Amino acid sequence: QVQLVESGGGVVQPGRSLRLSCAVSGFTFSNYGMHWVRQAPGKGLDWVAVISYDGRYKNYADSVKGRFTISRDNSKNTLYLQMNSLRAEDTAVYYCAKERTSYTSAELDYWGQGTLVTVSP
Amino acid sequence: DIQMTQSPSSVSASIGDRVTITCRASQGISSRLAWYQQKPGKAPKLLICAASSLQRGVPSRFSGSGSGTDFTLTISRLQPEDFATYYCQQANNFPWTFGQGTKVEIK
Repeated sequence: QVQLVESGGGVVQPGRSLRLSCAVSGFTFSNYGMHWVRQAPGKGLDWVAVISYDGRYKNYADSVKGRFTISRDNSKNTLYLQMNSLRAEDTAVYYCAKERTSYTSAELDYWGQGTLVTVSP
Repeated sequence: DIQMTQSPSSVSASIGDRVTITCRASQGISSRLAWYQQKPGKAPKLLICAASSLQRGVPSRFSGSGSGTDFTLTISRLQPEDFATYYCQQANNFPWTFGQGTKVEIK
């Protein structure tokens, strides 16, 4: 069955960096675009970034552009989110999610359980 | 960026009620609209894609409609497991954007 497992969250000071990972199984990872979506405590869903199946296309929310980098290693079935210059407003649960269809952009049909990032002095 | 506006922000309903949630996009998005259900402490679950296509395994009491800028999610007969927060999301243009959510609560 499809599984996505995030890791790497924790408490970090403002201005510092953190790298999140998302290990996947149960589908052909190299065929699907992948996303990061976050949710601040008690708030709604906030789209963060996307990477195409082959890693060639990336796009980011304006709020993280220039600070966060999405990447993938198809040989390791793993998605990453490198987060630099973290701010208090980046505090959230971060979810990785899989696109519904292969090779073309589509809705998110499988999500991980999320990993909490807390940015605090 | 495309703004997604859901209404209402919350609704109180009883078991067996029909519940309708609307979502309006600030510009046309064709049928590139998804609906998700989220329960406390859990990841979102995809219910409907392409505005009206029910995901496999989702009960048929859920339905979606609309295209362009106006969309609707309907729960025909509310069940206890349906009490949750529902989000619409446009997948037409990056950055993808979500509605602010609609909380369906027990009356």
